[in-house]
Amino acid sequence: DIQMTQSPSSLSASVGDRVTISCRASQSVNWYLNWYQQKPGKAPKLLIYGASNLESGAPSRFSGSGSGTDFILTISSLQPEDSATYYCQQGYSAPRTFGQGTKVEIK
Amino acid sequence: EVQLVESGGGLVQPGRSLRLSCKASGFNFGDYAMSWVRQAPGKGLEWVGFIRSNSYGGTTVYAASVRGRFTISRDNSKSITYLQMNNLQTDDTAVYYCVRDGYGDIDYWGQGTLVTVSS
Repeated sequence: DIQMTQSPSSLSASVGDRVTISCRASQSVNWYLNWYQQKPGKAPKLLIYGASNLESGAPSRFSGSGSGTDFILTISSLQPEDSATYYCQQGYSAPRTFGQGTKVEIK
Repeated sequence: EVQLVESGGGLVQPGRSLRLSCKASGFNFGDYAMSWVRQAPGKGLEWVGFIRSNSYGGTTVYAASVRGRFTISRDNSKSITYLQMNNLQTDDTAVYYCVRDGYGDIDYWGQGTLVTVSS
């Protein structure tokens, strides 16, 4: 099974900051890497699919990059409503696997 | 509008069984793989397993943690997917989400149903 490792596990940043979250796969997943946002008590929402494609309705301040084994989710200008936990997930092979999550807090 | 509605969660004793259902609407159900994802209280997301569409043989794949105990099936005529959970353990306690596998990504999620395994 492909293992997904995110870093950091949590971060605290100010409104307007640029924030980056990393995700590493234990083997290549090509571009089959997705990012989700989850707020407390809610189901996750797809933010980025195929490593760099913004899901319809997701704010343009979110972007994704990378391929192979190393990926980054960037929030260009952090907003209060971005306080959430973010997960990466590989869709290259089954079983699908998630990273352990990164909790983003607003200072 | 795509909707996924889970049902069947609840309190169950260790070693017992439970079956979850997920009614789908708003899309051509038979064209998509359907997955289950769970989240234990205060923990991260764990992919449980999926069932491919008939075009891909309707085969199933499971996470190692549930393999041999959980079974996913689907009834394309009713647009329902099932998760049969046998020999439940306390660490199976979680919110279980029914999700649509959009060819590698999860583009739609149900609201989740809580399964509590406790004596």
